[in-house]
Amino acid sequence: GESVGLHLPTLSVQEGDNSIINCAYSNSASDYFIWYKQESGKGPQFIIDIRSNMDKRQGQRVTVLLNKTVKHLSLQIAATQPGDSAVYFCAESSGNTPLVFGKGTRLSVIA
Amino acid sequence: DVKVTQSSRYLVKRTGEKVFLECVQDMDHENMFWYRQDPGLGLRLIYFSYDVKMKEKGDIPEGYSVSREKKERFSLILESASTNQTSMYLCASRDSGTGVGELFFGEGSRLTVL
Repeated sequence: GESVGLHLPTLSVQEGDNSIINCAYSNSASDYFIWYKQESGKGPQFIIDIRSNMDKRQGQRVTVLLNKTVKHLSLQIAATQPGDSAVYFCAESSGNTPLVFGKGTRLSVIA
Repeated sequence: DVKVTQSSRYLVKRTGEKVFLECVQDMDHENMFWYRQDPGLGLRLIYFSYDVKMKEKGDIPEGYSVSREKKERFSLILESASTNQTSMYLCASRDSGTGVGELFFGEGSRLTVL
């Protein structure tokens, strides 16, 4: 299937700063995108999703931005906290096909 | 609270053994999935099922099979375990409703094949 990749495998941020995690996708037919957070020893947990008819969606302290022109997705976390330390995965799908996941970015929050 | 339960969190098996990984969801979801997670490779799809008795190959089905006899249960089977199948296995389910939507994951089953 089409690949979903990440620009940075690791990201370290100071507590209180904003974090930006990037993701590139290659399937121009993808119409649904999603971010997951995975803490050590746990399964991935849903953070936020966005459909291709939108370019921005906000949740609590998180914002997802979608740029279909360059096939780029980003997750912004405001006021990053130690509890945000985890591996973050982006994923995409087209129609009702299964999600295709990226390789993940590890976010480390420095207190 | 929605729940996907994987019966075994940690398993150690020997090469050539038959291994069953069980997954049960209590959300009445039609869609169920098995992914494999390895460091640096992310989550890769092994098999999925969109309904009872139905199964489809994912990206890496070789060496695996699945069973979906009941809606709530999706089993992953390793017919003859090999060391390269040492990995974290994640089961997930999804409401088929609109055809898209978040996957709900279990806590994972970490399999070591010696």
